[in-house]
Amino acid sequence: TQLLEQSPQFLSIQEGENLTVYCNSSSVFSSLQWYRQEPGEGPVLLVTVVTGGEVKKLKRLTFQFGDARKDSSLHITAAQPGDTGLYLCAGEAMEYGNKLVFGAGTILRVKS
Amino acid sequence: NAGVTQTPKFQVLKTGQSMTLQCAQDMNHEYMSWYRQDPGMGLRLIHYSVGAGITDQGEVPNGYNVSRSTTEDFPLRLLSAAPSQTSVYFCASSYTGPRTDTQYFGPGTRLTVL
Repeated sequence: TQLLEQSPQFLSIQEGENLTVYCNSSSVFSSLQWYRQEPGEGPVLLVTVVTGGEVKKLKRLTFQFGDARKDSSLHITAAQPGDTGLYLCAGEAMEYGNKLVFGAGTILRVKS
Repeated sequence: NAGVTQTPKFQVLKTGQSMTLQCAQDMNHEYMSWYRQDPGMGLRLIHYSVGAGITDQGEVPNGYNVSRSTTEDFPLRLLSAAPSQTSVYFCASSYTGPRTDTQYFGPGTRLTVL
């Protein structure tokens, strides 16, 4: 059982569309991160959120941490082919010794 | 800066063989960690280190050993490889832990155990 459940697992959309990726858990996280990974490379950190209800924006990407710190979402506005990749959420939870755990990821494909 | 480097990039082993995956960073980071990535499972923490001489187990430590004799290097040893260890291995580093600091990942080592 995955501690962090990501949905959807796979998303294929047209350029210009909006999308949201979700990261959910029954556990409370002290922090949550989003990474993007391209084939053959390591993940690259996009954002870290630490406060319940926190919203962070990175150009066309909006990240939200749930009020109860059990879930997070990543919203992309007007997706572009360059957004294609694997999006991973990861977090630290006290019940898991504050060690970083990852979700299984969402594969995003943006077609031009 | 070269960042986080990993060698080799690809490796094929036979069951029972041993090998060491190398990881080095030139950013003077105290925190280093090893993950394995398997399809449909995201990344799982194997071992981590908060500084030279200090290591601790992650989520899936069995079958792997680590040591941290210098700040720069954090090798991962497989003493007797098993097919279940076929995976892509990533090393990462940061000044402090991932919660408070950006964690930088290496390019990965793709390991196949026959």
